[in-house]
Amino acid sequence: NAGVTQTPKFQVLKTGQSMTLQCAQDMNHEYMSWYRQDPGMGLRLIHYSVGAGITDQGEVPNGYNVSRSTTEDFPLRLLSAAPSQTSVYFCASSTVGATTNEKLFFGSGTQLSVL
Amino acid sequence: DAKTTQPNSMESNEEEPVHLPCNHSTISGTDYIHWYRQLPSQGPEYVIHGLTSNVNNRMASLAIAEDRKSSTLILHRATLRDAAVYYCILRHSSGKLIFGQGTELSVKP
Repeated sequence: NAGVTQTPKFQVLKTGQSMTLQCAQDMNHEYMSWYRQDPGMGLRLIHYSVGAGITDQGEVPNGYNVSRSTTEDFPLRLLSAAPSQTSVYFCASSTVGATTNEKLFFGSGTQLSVL
Repeated sequence: DAKTTQPNSMESNEEEPVHLPCNHSTISGTDYIHWYRQLPSQGPEYVIHGLTSNVNNRMASLAIAEDRKSSTLILHRATLRDAAVYYCILRHSSGKLIFGQGTELSVKP
């Protein structure tokens, strides 16, 4: 049972480069989300999605784009990387319903460095 | 979005109970209280969650105040492996889940 899979685990970019962080889950979860975690800090929500074709902004959406074309995948795109985007990125998913009482499953993270 | 307030850090002795407090005075009626923990160099992992009633599972217990403006995560016998950052979070009715700063728990042998 794979759960939430993030790729790559590590990435180094130069300022201005673009890239996509991949996130896939095999649990048929409607809800998926992306967080970033800076050193010594808590997690901050970037974007989230409650189903295919539906996305919304979190706390820190600037500089990131997302799309949700399938239930399984929720890629995070950096169009023009900046040093301020150096961070560890976590993807998480869960079921979602009227009671929103389901736990989040997290991926193992992607460590991104922007030089 | 409703916010939570937790102490920055707490210490415990091994094999003793630990009570981690959380204040959430602006909680709405549909917000669930979730607890996650994050071990060093790992992603967060789910601990427990609840709405109004106290909850127990194999990892911990969650005590929720009658007015729901505060809650306490209880680790019944702390072990060295419980040293982590513990996050108390209110899960919004949209499904959105916003983390706070958390409480760093250290466990002394």
